[in-house]
Amino acid sequence: EDQVTQSPEALRLQEGESSSLNCSYTVSGLRGLFWYRQDPGKGPEFLFTLYSAGEEKEKERLKATLTKKESFLHITAPKPEDSATYLCAVQARSSASKIIFGSGTRLSIRP
Amino acid sequence: DSGVTQTPKHLITATGQRVTLRCSPRSGDLSVYWYQQSLDQGLQFLIQYYNGEERAKGNILERFSAQQFPDLHSELNLSSLELGDSALYFCASSVGAETTDTQYFGPGTRLTVL
Repeated sequence: EDQVTQSPEALRLQEGESSSLNCSYTVSGLRGLFWYRQDPGKGPEFLFTLYSAGEEKEKERLKATLTKKESFLHITAPKPEDSATYLCAVQARSSASKIIFGSGTRLSIRP
Repeated sequence: DSGVTQTPKHLITATGQRVTLRCSPRSGDLSVYWYQQSLDQGLQFLIQYYNGEERAKGNILERFSAQQFPDLHSELNLSSLELGDSALYFCASSVGAETTDTQYFGPGTRLTVL
């Protein structure tokens, strides 16, 4: 069964303290892996799509990487405005109609 | 602001009732997606329409239905509502038909079933 697991559930960092969020997935053939940011009470905001192992993408303080079993969202020198829930989702080749989301990591950055 | 609009923002109704949620995609986007987000289930993909036709189906209940109109706006109809249907319902849109295309989410409709 296709599955997405995100860890940790919650992460509190000091401003400037770099860290990584993990997204482990089990799918029968990956079609795409997506990262979104979601602020409380708002819709998810697209960050990255990764398609194959070894791929990396960057945007400001965020960098997403992909292996055959997991993806990492690295956050470098975070600021308080980076506080949000970060969601990972995958789409499998076996079930092109299904997009499966993880439960998210709640990131809090203290000034 | 993603450019996707959803109405209403909030909806409070009773069990057994029927409601309609409305979504207008970004200008130029042909695909509309519907998602449900609840505390216990997380974000779940319900259904996708592309240029008026159903394109992909996820975990949508039989009590729920959707359609996309010629002007590309979409409606999600929820009937015989149960307490467990209380959730945030998001609409997203993208340019093309592929679910791997970048999706832009609306602000959501918060449904409360009493």
